[in-house]
Amino acid sequence: QKEVEQNSGPLSVPEGAIASLNCTYSDRVSQSFFWYRQYSGKSPELIMSIYSNGDKEDGRFTAQLNKASQYVSLLIRDSQPSDSATYLCAVTPGGTSYGKLTFGQGTILTVHP
Amino acid sequence: EPEVTQTPSHQVTQMGQEVILRCVPISNHLYFYWYRQILGQKVEFLVSFYNNEISEKSEIFDDQFSVERPDGSNFTLKIRSTKLEDSAMYFCASRNQGEQFFGPGTRLTVL
Repeated sequence: QKEVEQNSGPLSVPEGAIASLNCTYSDRVSQSFFWYRQYSGKSPELIMSIYSNGDKEDGRFTAQLNKASQYVSLLIRDSQPSDSATYLCAVTPGGTSYGKLTFGQGTILTVHP
Repeated sequence: EPEVTQTPSHQVTQMGQEVILRCVPISNHLYFYWYRQILGQKVEFLVSFYNNEISEKSEIFDDQFSVERPDGSNFTLKIRSTKLEDSAMYFCASRNQGEQFFGPGTRLTVL
């Protein structure tokens, strides 16, 4: 069973701070890595994708991938109350795959004013 | 901006009844997916569909489930005889290259 693990939180940060979200995965040959944001009762919304080792920045968001450690993280700079949501890490497997996503259980982030 | 749409937003059914959940993927996408999320649990993969056939399915996707792309735009998930444990949010997703985009979901309640 290929697993994706996240700390369920809740993670609470003050407005303007950096929120750091972490994810580990068990399938060493996983190919693609995604961060989704999910507001309560809503569908997952794609924030970032990352495919190779290193950092990828998009606005206030930075995704970091370390395949040797099987670790992917998301940093949110200048956190806003509107960033309060559940953040889902998702991974596609290696080998023959049509891109199914395996999700972690999500980390609840609360940004307080 | 193109988006995945799903209907209905909420479906209530009696145990043992058949339901069909409908999705319209993004128009130039080639890969289609169904996921479900039981309240308070992880998003779980059900099935992927490519080139007019199922490409991969999970253990959840048993004989009670089927998918179809009846025309050039719709993608449906049918549950033949619903059980109480089928109550969940069902999400359709589609992709062209790497990234999957999700529809708003259908909340299925089985009574």
